[in-house]
Amino acid sequence: DQQVKQNSPSLSVQEGRISILNCDYTNSMFDYFLWYKKYPAEGPTFLISISSIKDKNEDGRFTVFLNKSAKHLSLHIVPSQPGDSAVYFCAASRGGSQGNLIFGKGTKLSVKP
Amino acid sequence: DAGITQSPRHKVTETGTPVTLRCHQTENHRYMYWYRQDPGHGLRLIHYSYGVKDTDKGEVSDGYSVSRSKTEDFLLTLESATSSQTSVYFCAISQNNPDTQYFGPGTRLTVL
Repeated sequence: DQQVKQNSPSLSVQEGRISILNCDYTNSMFDYFLWYKKYPAEGPTFLISISSIKDKNEDGRFTVFLNKSAKHLSLHIVPSQPGDSAVYFCAASRGGSQGNLIFGKGTKLSVKP
Repeated sequence: DAGITQSPRHKVTETGTPVTLRCHQTENHRYMYWYRQDPGHGLRLIHYSYGVKDTDKGEVSDGYSVSRSKTEDFLLTLESATSSQTSVYFCAISQNNPDTQYFGPGTRLTVL
């Protein structure tokens, strides 16, 4: 039973436009969410996170939005650059001893020049 | 970048042989994790450690064991490798749990 879902396996965007990657979760106990980026043959790298007390967090070109009532979060990349082409993983956790990260299956983003 | 190395980076082995993968960190982080990444599955937790000699199972622990005798090293052992364990294995570390995890470069394991 998938607790974290990334329903779009791939996304193609033109350079300079906005990329929107989506993630849904089913466990209402999740209170900490992260996005990772992964290039081929490398380990995932941390991008941005958000806790459930917020609904938005920004870091440069990257913004994560959290809609707790819909159990949905999204990552916006503006403007998109060819170097952003990678697989993006959404992850979630809940506090306490059950705090391990649960990952989605990933979305492959292609940014075309 | 967090100081995490994995060895070996690539390994080809035969069904039934034992295999040990090593994760080494220089960050003195308390928590260490082993994941596997397979097409269509994302990253799945195999085992994790919350201190020296303290480990626990993750989502896909069958067929794997781990050991942590020093803060900096976390070993993943496949006692008798099977073809279903062909995968890319990632180690990760974090200071707390839950917390941001930082990943190593990965080990590509092929079991023939």
